Amino acid sequence: DAKTTQPPSMDCAEGRAANLPCNHSTISGNEYVYWYRQIHSQGPQYIIHGLKNNETNEMASLIITEDRKSSTLILPHATLRDTAVYYCIVKTSYDKVIFGPGTSLSVIP
Amino acid sequence: KAGVTQTPRYLIKTRGQQVTLSCSPISGHRSVSWYQQTPGQGLQFLFEYFSETQRNKGNFPGRFSGRQFSNSRSEMNVSTLELGDSALYLCASSSSGTLNTEAFFGQGTRLTVV
Repeated sequence: DAKTTQPPSMDCAEGRAANLPCNHSTISGNEYVYWYRQIHSQGPQYIIHGLKNNETNEMASLIITEDRKSSTLILPHATLRDTAVYYCIVKTSYDKVIFGPGTSLSVIP
Repeated sequence: KAGVTQTPRYLIKTRGQQVTLSCSPISGHRSVSWYQQTPGQGLQFLFEYFSETQRNKGNFPGRFSGRQFSNSRSEMNVSTLELGDSALYLCASSSSGTLNTEAFFGQGTRLTVV
């Protein structure tokens, strides 16, 4: 099964872009990368997902390297409400999910 | 519309007992997946049910089981509880599959085994 690694914590100044990296070097060709975040004491919330192309939605952008071994979640203008734990997840073709350890993002005023 | 409801929110059990947790998905959602969250192991996938059938399963012992009813409500059962089973148990519902874009999580059930 694919394995993901993430830095345990990051800080970001309010209003600046937050770039959260994830390494998934053992990912297979048909396995998707998902990003979810969890704000303290709540259930995780969907952010974005992708297979091989870069993706953008109203919340974030996802940049996946050409070899698919890593990806970066970009929050373009971080706010205090973006303080949360961000999980990089690999979802296999048979719907198993492998969570990364998560990155605790602190947005600082 | 109402969100995903998990009951109970908190539970204390003794080693060796068994426990049943409940998850009511969003109306119309047929997929319910379960996850265990602990400080040491993080978030781990337990299993997923779709239309009353278990479609896939994570790497947990057979003490962890589940089922889904015709109204899509799901229950998770843990037998012969161990101290290490203390965790936050989360369920998520979606219309089509595990973690799909429309997947929504409940608030979780916090289980403490003493």
